[in-house]
Amino acid sequence: KNEVEQSPQNLTAQEGEFITINCSYSVGISALHWLQQHPGGGIVSLFMLSSGKKKHGRLIATINIQEKHSSLHITASHPRDSAVYICAVKSKGNNDMRFGAGTRLTVKP
Amino acid sequence: DAGVIQSPRHEVTEMGQEVTLRCKPISGHDYLFWYRQTMMRGLELLIYFNNNVPIDDSGMPEDRFSAKMPNASFSTLKIQPSEPRDSAVYFCASSFGHAEAFFGQGTRLTVV
Repeated sequence: KNEVEQSPQNLTAQEGEFITINCSYSVGISALHWLQQHPGGGIVSLFMLSSGKKKHGRLIATINIQEKHSSLHITASHPRDSAVYICAVKSKGNNDMRFGAGTRLTVKP
Repeated sequence: DAGVIQSPRHEVTEMGQEVTLRCKPISGHDYLFWYRQTMMRGLELLIYFNNNVPIDDSGMPEDRFSAKMPNASFSTLKIQPSEPRDSAVYFCASSFGHAEAFFGQGTRLTVV
């Protein structure tokens, strides 16, 4: 079993829909990251969080440490949100990241 | 700052050849990471450095892979000899302490 599990693996939505991507992990962590990878391959860090909730524009990330679960929400989705979203965790005592397999999101106009 | 800079962006080489990938981290960052991304295995950590010292190289696949960081502004990942199964996108990332990491654009390596 992977240390970081994401769901769904693939997600197709219509423009304007509310989107949720889930991440569960099995290790004690110091922080959880949500990354975005566009076609063409560049990786951008969206959020780093260790508790509670963070919001940036239409993106919201939440984490429940007790349940070892995080969600990434996109409100009013847009075709430019189409990308692979990757959850990654930093284990306590280390500074390296362990990655989920990613969720491929396609938003259709 | 220009961000994390990797070179080359694309590399095609023949099996058995030596390949060297290069990375310039963001100035002032004290952590540097090398990752590999493949369709089968996703993103994996290969090795990371703190203040130019390798901290964890448990992800390096085998002795054909080596990484160096001779100074705070430069790191290399070398594969010798290269094999077709090494074909992947190799990412370098840097961070200041345990803050968020910034990724380079990656090097797409194809070994034929």
